[in-house]
Amino acid sequence: GAVVSQHPSWVICKSGTSVKIECRSLDFQATTMFWYRQFPKQSLMLMATSNEGSKATYEQGVEKDKFLINHASLTLSTLTVTSAHPEDSSFYICSAGGGQANQPQHFGDGTRLSIL
Amino acid sequence: GQQLNQSPQSMFIQEGEDVSMNCTSSSIFNTWLWYKQDPGEGPVLLIALYKAGELTSNGRLTAQFGITRKDSFLNISASIPSDVGIYFCAGQRGGGNKLTFGTGTQLKVEL
Repeated sequence: GAVVSQHPSWVICKSGTSVKIECRSLDFQATTMFWYRQFPKQSLMLMATSNEGSKATYEQGVEKDKFLINHASLTLSTLTVTSAHPEDSSFYICSAGGGQANQPQHFGDGTRLSIL
Repeated sequence: GQQLNQSPQSMFIQEGEDVSMNCTSSSIFNTWLWYKQDPGEGPVLLIALYKAGELTSNGRLTAQFGITRKDSFLNISASIPSDVGIYFCAGQRGGGNKLTFGTGTQLKVEL
């Protein structure tokens, strides 16, 4: 069964709205989670590394004030897309795991975000 | 950001055929992972490789971690229609470290 749960799976909202996406590790504790963005017919691009109890680490070119990450517990990380605009429309995927040797990362089912 | 070179980009094969795809990098990785992604879903882990030279199987899938630690390949034997999807390789430099993904191989299977 799924080891990483992501919610919601699909969001449609108006421009200017802020949208929160949740990522939960279901049967293990994750001190580190990762957030990816994927455009159609492209690979996954890492946006940021979410660290439990501390600030997230953002990849170059990703606006930290635009994509707020909160990792408040060992099983939950949230990504908030603030004041979303149509260009923010994409498929957002989180992953967890891989924190220990020989422990691979598992992915959530993704969130399709559509900004009108 | 960096992406790994994955080939072929796409392939269209007959059901029952064997499939081979590979992934190369200009730098070393300590872990290689292979994922499959269906439309509208997140990637699902197929095989994880942790040691250079390691050859690992998962049913009809076999993957190898190149001895130079800069490449990996995935083989699928006797393909079936449900093998359709996009296959991604990913490299990781250490436990807890971020993944670097390949460009993907789209597999289409003809009945």
